[in-house]
Amino acid sequence: QKEVEQNSGPLSVPEGAIASLNCTYSDRVSQSFFWYRQYSGKSPELIMSIYSNGDKEDGRFTAQLNKASQYVSLLIRDSQPSDSATYLCAVNDDFGNEKLTFGTGTRLTIIP
Amino acid sequence: GAVVSQHPSRVICKSGTSVKIECRSLDFQATTMFWYRQFPKKSLMLMATSNEGSKATYEQGVEKDKFLINHASLTLSTLTVTSAHPEDSSFYICSARKSSGPVSDEQFFGPGTRLTVL
Repeated sequence: QKEVEQNSGPLSVPEGAIASLNCTYSDRVSQSFFWYRQYSGKSPELIMSIYSNGDKEDGRFTAQLNKASQYVSLLIRDSQPSDSATYLCAVNDDFGNEKLTFGTGTRLTIIP
Repeated sequence: GAVVSQHPSRVICKSGTSVKIECRSLDFQATTMFWYRQFPKKSLMLMATSNEGSKATYEQGVEKDKFLINHASLTLSTLTVTSAHPEDSSFYICSARKSSGPVSDEQFFGPGTRLTVL
């Protein structure tokens, strides 16, 4: 049974600070990792994808992957109130299997 | 772009009726589409994988005769909830995977359909 674990939160971060979201996964053969943002009542929106160990930066977002530790994180710099949402970590085991396994999500609140 | 639409966005129906939800990829072709269900404050649960021109692959515990999936073209998949009951009330979300391109395993989600069965 593939598992993706996230701290459910809520995680409260002051506006302008760095928000750090963490995710661990159980399947060592996992190859593709995604972070989705979901506002209440809405569907998920892809924020970042990462495939190799290390950091990947896109604007205020940085994804970090450590396959040896089976750990992926998302950093949000200069947090804004509009970043308040639930962040879902998703994992795909290989390019042949198309299914994503989602974590339960971390609810992030940015405090003005 | 990678835009996915769903219709309807919200539906209320009586118990025992059937409801059809459409999922369309608007600006790309999608060989594979996925159907998810999400209950309040819970994560997404994959129901089935829909492949164009072939039968859908259902996840364990999902009744294929109750949740009928048709992926008739590279841009359209439909989910029909047959004989809906109140416990089927949920947020149904589809996603689509691009058929080609350098990164073809990203999934793009539709806006979701909120089903309420009375």
